[in-house]
Amino acid sequence: DAMVIQNPRYQVTQFGKPVTLSCSQTLNHNVMYWYQQKSSQAPKLLFHYYDKDFNNEADTPDNFQSRRPNTSFCFLDIRSPGLGDAAMYLCATSRDVDRAGEPYEQYFGPGTRLTVT
Amino acid sequence: GENVEQHPSTLSVQEGDSAVIKCTYSDSASNYFPWYKQELGKGPQLIIDIRSNVGEKKDQRIAVTLNKTAKHFSLHITETQPEDSAVYFCAATRGTGNQFYFGTGTSLTVIP
Repeated sequence: DAMVIQNPRYQVTQFGKPVTLSCSQTLNHNVMYWYQQKSSQAPKLLFHYYDKDFNNEADTPDNFQSRRPNTSFCFLDIRSPGLGDAAMYLCATSRDVDRAGEPYEQYFGPGTRLTVT
Repeated sequence: GENVEQHPSTLSVQEGDSAVIKCTYSDSASNYFPWYKQELGKGPQLIIDIRSNVGEKKDQRIAVTLNKTAKHFSLHITETQPEDSAVYFCAATRGTGNQFYFGTGTSLTVIP
């Protein structure tokens, strides 16, 4: 019963060639996140959607864009991948905070391993 | 913003022994502290979490403690097994803005 699905699991692209990674969820969560994780490092938040509201992290390069056409799907577009963009890209979802302002759990997908040649 | 520090970065224990991983956070408004286990080539999986109104939570061999005054929280794994070998991440969030701040990870190896 996959809840957060990422495709493809492995992606190879050439230096400078645009690439799109996809994420879908069956949880009907209104918040979706994209993280970049390099080897032996913690996940680094790139941006997140609160419903359709896009929230970009201040240090996320302009090279990274995202689209969320509906609740279930979210895409990560890398316009001109560089060698430094090779990493695992993780999608995650969560519900909004509850009435008391308490956050809900965050669920991660299996990730897409991006290789740039 | 929030700053989460995690120690140790690597930990090796004999099978059956206990493992403890510690995290500190800086934002006193953080109110939710999850722990994730990440196996090689996979996404992080939530294994246990604790909220700021609770001091301790236990789920079978796994427990988490929270000291709000000192702003630190710890993961305790008892009776470790080889399948517990993985990278463990702590995280903290205050909910507002839905941002989760991660520690740098602990690579746990359980030696059979």
